[in-house]
Amino acid sequence: SQQGEEDPQALSIQEGENATMNCSYKTSINNLQWYRQNSGRGLVHLILIRSNEREKHSGRLRVTLDTSKKSSSLLITASRAADTASYFCATIQGAQKLVFGQGTRLTINP
Amino acid sequence: GAVVSQHPSWVICKSGTSVKIECRSLDFQATTMFWYRQFPKQSLMLMATSNEGSKATYEQGVEKDKFLINHASLTLSTLTVTSAHPEDSSFYICSAMWDRSYEQYFGPGTRLTVT
Repeated sequence: SQQGEEDPQALSIQEGENATMNCSYKTSINNLQWYRQNSGRGLVHLILIRSNEREKHSGRLRVTLDTSKKSSSLLITASRAADTASYFCATIQGAQKLVFGQGTRLTINP
Repeated sequence: GAVVSQHPSWVICKSGTSVKIECRSLDFQATTMFWYRQFPKQSLMLMATSNEGSKATYEQGVEKDKFLINHASLTLSTLTVTSAHPEDSSFYICSAMWDRSYEQYFGPGTRLTVT
């Protein structure tokens, strides 16, 4: 079963604006990961945040993690048309199993 | 590094036939490979986990006899959809990881259409 719930399911913004996506999960985690999927393609790993971290940056990406609320957010700053994609959070169940959220479909309008 | 390929990228087959999809790790040895299915505008659902040289572990609700997985080597896993039906039409994605790695590397996916 899917563990993560993502919010919003779809987001459409203008190029240059910031995009924020949220993810909630149900069980305890060691880390949480964010992936991007371009339409009809595989997934690209964006960033991993460990349970003892509260915030992590990678280029224009900023991820936060609140383990008390079992939630994470992904912020993309200064969005570009190339950022148009679906974004998924994922947590690990057991030793290896990745469980994905429902995803947010992000559209950047030029 | 850490490139995973899939072949074919898309395939159309007739109902009742079988289709084999290959997943290869090109520049690393994958101790574990995963097969996912994704329906349009939905998330990825794990179908099975395969470790080299051993039988795959299937998720609840996934038919073992219908989705045959063979992880023959540390760089190749295959998924065979047997006696395909139109409802098997989907996007199939594999991923691979090496031992003690948190990160899975995903293939580009294979779109299967059963007519």
